[in-house]
Amino acid sequence: GQSLEQPSEVTAVEGAIVQINCTYQTSGFYGLSWYQQHDGGAPTFLSYNALDGLEETGRFSSFLSRSDSYGYLLLQELQMKDSASYFCAVRRSSGSARQLTFGSGTQLTVLP
Amino acid sequence: DAGVTQSPTHLIKTRGQQVTLRCSPISGHKSVSWYQQVLGQGPQFIFQYYEKEERGRGNFPDRFSARQFPNYSSELNVNALLLGDSALYLCASSPGGTGELFFGEGSRLTVL
Repeated sequence: GQSLEQPSEVTAVEGAIVQINCTYQTSGFYGLSWYQQHDGGAPTFLSYNALDGLEETGRFSSFLSRSDSYGYLLLQELQMKDSASYFCAVRRSSGSARQLTFGSGTQLTVLP
Repeated sequence: DAGVTQSPTHLIKTRGQQVTLRCSPISGHKSVSWYQQVLGQGPQFIFQYYEKEERGRGNFPDRFSARQFPNYSSELNVNALLLGDSALYLCASSPGGTGELFFGEGSRLTVL
Protein backbone atom coordinates (compact mmCIF):
# COMPACT_ATOMS: atom_id res chain seq x y z
CA GLY A 1 0.00 0.00 0.00
CA GLN A 2 0.87 3.63 0.15
CA SER A 3 1.09 6.03 3.05
CA LEU A 4 2.15 9.63 3.53
CA GLU A 5 2.75 11.27 6.87
CA GLN A 6 2.82 14.99 7.53
CA PRO A 7 2.16 17.00 10.71
CA SER A 8 -1.47 17.89 11.19
CA GLU A 9 -0.83 21.45 12.39
CA VAL A 10 1.96 24.01 12.34
CA THR A 11 1.88 27.54 13.78
CA ALA A 12 4.35 30.34 13.04
CA VAL A 13 4.50 34.12 13.12
CA GLU A 14 4.54 36.54 10.24
CA GLY A 15 7.97 36.94 8.70
CA ALA A 16 9.25 33.62 10.04
CA ILE A 17 10.35 30.49 8.18
CA VAL A 18 8.45 27.23 8.49
CA GLN A 19 9.20 23.73 7.25
CA ILE A 20 6.48 21.15 6.62
CA ASN A 21 7.80 17.60 6.44
CA CYS A 22 6.40 14.67 4.50
CA THR A 23 7.50 11.06 4.71
CA TYR A 24 6.11 8.49 2.33
CA GLN A 25 5.96 4.76 1.83
CA THR A 26 5.06 3.59 -1.64
CA SER A 27 6.19 1.20 -4.29
CA GLY A 28 7.32 2.65 -7.57
CA PHE A 29 7.82 6.21 -6.36
CA TYR A 30 8.14 8.72 -9.19
CA GLY A 31 7.77 12.21 -7.73
CA LEU A 32 6.45 14.39 -4.89
CA SER A 33 4.16 17.38 -5.31
CA TRP A 34 2.95 20.05 -2.91
CA TYR A 35 -0.43 21.76 -2.99
CA GLN A 36 -1.92 24.63 -1.01
CA GLN A 37 -5.61 24.83 -0.15
CA HIS A 38 -7.34 27.72 1.57
CA ASP A 39 -10.58 27.02 3.44
CA GLY A 40 -13.36 26.51 0.92
CA GLY A 41 -11.01 26.84 -2.00
CA ALA A 42 -9.43 24.70 -4.66
CA PRO A 43 -6.04 23.07 -4.12
CA THR A 44 -3.37 24.96 -6.03
CA PHE A 45 -0.06 23.56 -7.22
CA LEU A 46 3.10 24.79 -5.49
CA SER A 47 5.97 22.56 -6.55
CA TYR A 48 7.11 19.19 -7.86
CA ASN A 49 10.28 17.19 -7.17
CA ALA A 50 11.24 14.11 -9.14
CA LEU A 51 14.96 14.25 -8.36
CA ASP A 52 16.83 14.66 -5.10
CA GLY A 53 17.52 18.21 -4.09
CA LEU A 54 15.98 21.58 -3.61
CA GLU A 55 13.56 23.35 -5.95
CA GLU A 56 13.01 27.05 -5.30
CA THR A 57 10.04 29.11 -6.42
CA GLY A 58 9.96 32.55 -4.87
CA ARG A 59 9.28 32.32 -1.13
CA PHE A 60 8.56 28.59 -1.39
CA SER A 61 11.13 25.82 -1.72
CA SER A 62 10.67 22.06 -1.81
CA PHE A 63 13.19 19.36 -1.07
CA LEU A 64 13.27 15.65 -1.85
CA SER A 65 15.46 12.79 -0.65
CA ARG A 66 14.47 9.62 -2.48
CA SER A 67 16.80 7.46 -0.39
CA ASP A 68 15.10 8.64 2.82
CA SER A 69 11.57 8.68 1.33
CA TYR A 70 11.30 12.19 2.67
CA GLY A 71 10.51 15.64 1.45
CA TYR A 72 9.70 19.03 2.86
CA LEU A 73 8.15 22.32 1.89
CA LEU A 74 9.90 25.44 3.14
CA LEU A 75 7.99 28.69 3.37
CA GLN A 76 10.01 31.84 3.95
CA GLU A 77 8.97 35.37 4.93
CA LEU A 78 5.61 34.09 6.07
CA GLN A 79 2.58 36.23 5.34
CA MET A 80 -0.91 36.07 6.81
CA LYS A 81 -2.22 34.88 3.45
CA ASP A 82 -0.06 31.74 3.78
CA SER A 83 -2.48 30.42 6.42
CA ALA A 84 -3.90 27.38 4.65
CA SER A 85 -3.66 23.61 4.42
CA TYR A 86 -0.64 22.15 2.68
CA PHE A 87 -0.68 18.69 1.12
CA CYS A 88 2.14 16.54 -0.12
CA ALA A 89 1.19 14.12 -2.89
CA VAL A 90 3.00 11.18 -4.42
CA ARG A 91 3.04 10.23 -8.08
CA ARG A 92 3.78 6.57 -8.68
CA SER A 93 5.66 5.34 -11.73
CA SER A 94 2.82 2.96 -12.51
CA GLY A 95 0.33 5.78 -12.69
CA SER A 96 0.11 8.96 -14.65
CA ALA A 97 0.92 12.41 -13.38
CA ARG A 98 -2.79 12.97 -12.82
CA GLN A 99 -3.24 10.04 -10.42
CA LEU A 100 -1.82 11.38 -7.19
CA THR A 101 -1.97 10.04 -3.64
CA PHE A 102 -2.34 12.89 -1.17
CA GLY A 103 -1.38 13.12 2.47
CA SER A 104 -3.89 14.25 5.09
CA GLY A 105 -2.60 17.79 5.04
CA THR A 106 -0.89 20.23 7.39
CA GLN A 107 -2.91 23.18 8.65
CA LEU A 108 -0.57 26.19 8.79
CA THR A 109 -1.62 29.12 10.96
CA VAL A 110 0.35 32.33 10.60
CA LEU A 111 0.04 34.67 13.57
CA PRO A 112 0.60 38.44 13.42
CA ASP B 1 -8.67 32.48 -19.30
CA ALA B 2 -11.32 30.54 -17.41
CA GLY B 3 -10.12 27.97 -14.92
CA VAL B 4 -11.67 24.60 -14.24
CA THR B 5 -15.39 25.03 -13.67
CA GLN B 6 -17.61 22.64 -11.78
CA SER B 7 -21.35 22.45 -11.23
CA PRO B 8 -23.30 22.39 -9.09
CA THR B 9 -21.29 24.02 -6.31
CA HIS B 10 -23.46 22.64 -3.54
CA LEU B 11 -26.13 19.98 -3.47
CA ILE B 12 -28.06 17.94 -0.96
CA LYS B 13 -29.30 14.43 -1.65
CA THR B 14 -30.82 11.65 0.40
CA ARG B 15 -29.56 8.11 0.78
CA GLY B 16 -30.23 5.91 -2.23
CA GLN B 17 -30.47 8.78 -4.70
CA GLN B 18 -28.19 9.35 -7.66
CA VAL B 19 -26.08 12.42 -8.44
CA THR B 20 -24.30 13.78 -11.51
CA LEU B 21 -21.47 16.27 -11.17
CA ARG B 22 -20.07 18.20 -14.10
CA CYS B 23 -16.66 19.60 -14.95
CA SER B 24 -15.27 21.78 -17.72
CA PRO B 25 -11.47 21.72 -17.98
CA ILE B 26 -9.21 24.58 -18.86
CA SER B 27 -9.23 25.20 -22.60
CA GLY B 28 -6.63 23.01 -24.27
CA HIS B 29 -6.41 20.49 -21.42
CA LYS B 30 -7.35 17.02 -22.59
CA SER B 31 -7.07 15.20 -19.28
CA VAL B 32 -9.61 15.34 -16.47
CA SER B 33 -9.24 13.72 -13.07
CA TRP B 34 -11.79 13.39 -10.28
CA TYR B 35 -10.95 13.43 -6.60
CA GLN B 36 -13.03 13.04 -3.44
CA GLN B 37 -12.08 15.11 -0.41
CA VAL B 38 -13.64 14.26 2.91
CA LEU B 39 -13.51 17.01 5.54
CA GLY B 40 -10.10 17.11 7.21
CA GLN B 41 -8.45 14.77 4.69
CA GLY B 42 -6.51 15.10 1.49
CA PRO B 43 -8.10 14.52 -1.92
CA GLN B 44 -8.47 10.86 -2.90
CA PHE B 45 -8.17 9.83 -6.54
CA ILE B 46 -11.34 8.46 -8.18
CA PHE B 47 -10.92 8.55 -11.98
CA GLN B 48 -8.73 9.92 -14.71
CA TYR B 49 -9.80 10.41 -18.31
CA TYR B 50 -7.71 11.38 -21.31
CA GLU B 51 -9.07 11.84 -24.79
CA LYS B 52 -12.40 10.30 -23.67
CA GLU B 53 -10.76 7.10 -22.44
CA GLU B 54 -10.50 6.00 -18.84
CA ARG B 55 -6.83 5.95 -17.90
CA GLY B 56 -7.10 5.16 -14.22
CA ARG B 57 -9.50 4.28 -11.45
CA GLY B 58 -8.99 4.62 -7.73
CA ASN B 59 -10.26 2.36 -4.98
CA PHE B 60 -13.93 3.29 -5.23
CA PRO B 61 -16.98 1.02 -5.63
CA ASP B 62 -18.79 0.50 -8.91
CA ARG B 63 -21.44 2.97 -7.77
CA PHE B 64 -19.00 5.60 -9.01
CA SER B 65 -18.72 6.10 -12.75
CA ALA B 66 -17.55 8.84 -15.06
CA ARG B 67 -17.20 9.77 -18.67
CA GLN B 68 -15.52 12.39 -20.81
CA PHE B 69 -17.11 14.07 -23.77
CA PRO B 70 -15.61 15.10 -27.15
CA ASN B 71 -15.16 18.67 -25.85
CA TYR B 72 -13.15 17.20 -22.92
CA SER B 73 -15.75 18.10 -20.31
CA SER B 74 -16.58 15.33 -17.89
CA GLU B 75 -19.31 13.98 -15.64
CA LEU B 76 -19.01 12.00 -12.43
CA ASN B 77 -22.00 9.88 -11.48
CA VAL B 78 -22.62 8.33 -8.11
CA ASN B 79 -25.51 5.88 -7.67
CA ALA B 80 -27.20 4.58 -4.53
CA LEU B 81 -25.77 7.37 -2.39
CA LEU B 82 -24.55 6.57 1.09
CA LEU B 83 -24.01 8.94 4.01
CA GLY B 84 -20.28 8.35 3.60
CA ASP B 85 -20.37 9.84 0.10
CA SER B 86 -20.76 13.28 1.65
CA ALA B 87 -17.63 15.13 0.55
CA LEU B 88 -16.15 17.78 -1.69
CA TYR B 89 -15.75 16.39 -5.21
CA LEU B 90 -12.89 18.01 -7.06
CA CYS B 91 -12.21 17.98 -10.74
CA ALA B 92 -8.72 18.69 -12.03
CA SER B 93 -7.44 19.21 -15.54
CA SER B 94 -3.90 18.95 -16.74
CA PRO B 95 -1.93 19.84 -19.86
CA GLY B 96 0.34 16.87 -19.32
CA GLY B 97 3.93 16.55 -18.23
CA THR B 98 4.70 16.77 -14.53
CA GLY B 99 2.36 16.46 -11.58
CA GLU B 100 0.70 19.85 -11.90
CA LEU B 101 -3.04 19.58 -11.63
CA PHE B 102 -5.38 22.53 -11.96
CA PHE B 103 -8.33 22.03 -9.63
CA GLY B 104 -11.80 23.48 -9.73
CA GLU B 105 -13.54 24.82 -6.62
CA GLY B 106 -15.41 21.56 -6.27
CA SER B 107 -18.96 20.34 -5.78
CA ARG B 108 -19.90 19.90 -2.15
CA LEU B 109 -22.26 16.97 -1.78
CA THR B 110 -24.22 16.36 1.38
CA VAL B 111 -26.08 13.08 1.73
CA LEU B 112 -28.81 12.98 4.38
